Amino acid sequence: DTEVTQTPKHLVMGMTNKKSLKCEQHMGHRAMYWYKQKAKKPPELMFVYSYEKLSINESVPSRFSPECPNSSLLNLHLHALQPEDSALYLCASSQENRVSYGYTFGSGTRLTVV
Amino acid sequence: AQSVAQPEDQVNVAEGNPLTVKCTYSVSGNPYLFWYVQYPNRGLQFLLKYITGDNLVKGSYGFEAEFNKSQTSFHLKKPSALVSDSALYFCAVVGFQKLVFGTGTRLLVSP
Repeated sequence: DTEVTQTPKHLVMGMTNKKSLKCEQHMGHRAMYWYKQKAKKPPELMFVYSYEKLSINESVPSRFSPECPNSSLLNLHLHALQPEDSALYLCASSQENRVSYGYTFGSGTRLTVV
Repeated sequence: AQSVAQPEDQVNVAEGNPLTVKCTYSVSGNPYLFWYVQYPNRGLQFLLKYITGDNLVKGSYGFEAEFNKSQTSFHLKKPSALVSDSALYFCAVVGFQKLVFGTGTRLLVSP
């Protein structure tokens, strides 16, 4: 298995809702990442998990809450989002946080906040 | 800080013609450089990377990139473009515990 699987592919949520994005990989990668990408812009790093521990939080608002329950799974919990949070959310993984190996990206979750 | 620049927002090329998508880098130390491609509403797909070794790197789908240390460039090339190559292309460089992406170049290949 050489894929990163993200669910759901599309999500529409209201500003008072609570929802979660899920990311799964079975490549034995020990680093996992959440990126946010607005239309026609490069991905922006949000969080990095290394060996299931949060190692980087790029000053992301607390309405985004990451969780790494095990080495294969990464969640992003969403609460009280704003319309400007609408974007493509990408998950990625890499081998033991060796970025020089490059990332494997999932196909993303297209989030719309109404 | 490590950074890459993609000077062209869009590149237009006719099918069958060679294509070049430009990328320049600014790093301290040796650069680790990548190219990714993104199709509409999809994640990023890895094309190729330069870590060390030959300056000409061959990657997926017939793409290659030339690392030029004196010009601090890592341009993406393909000898003969296909309509299906139309997509958004990102150059990236390894920063501290993360990849740093360029602003992206939209490639449009016309039939």
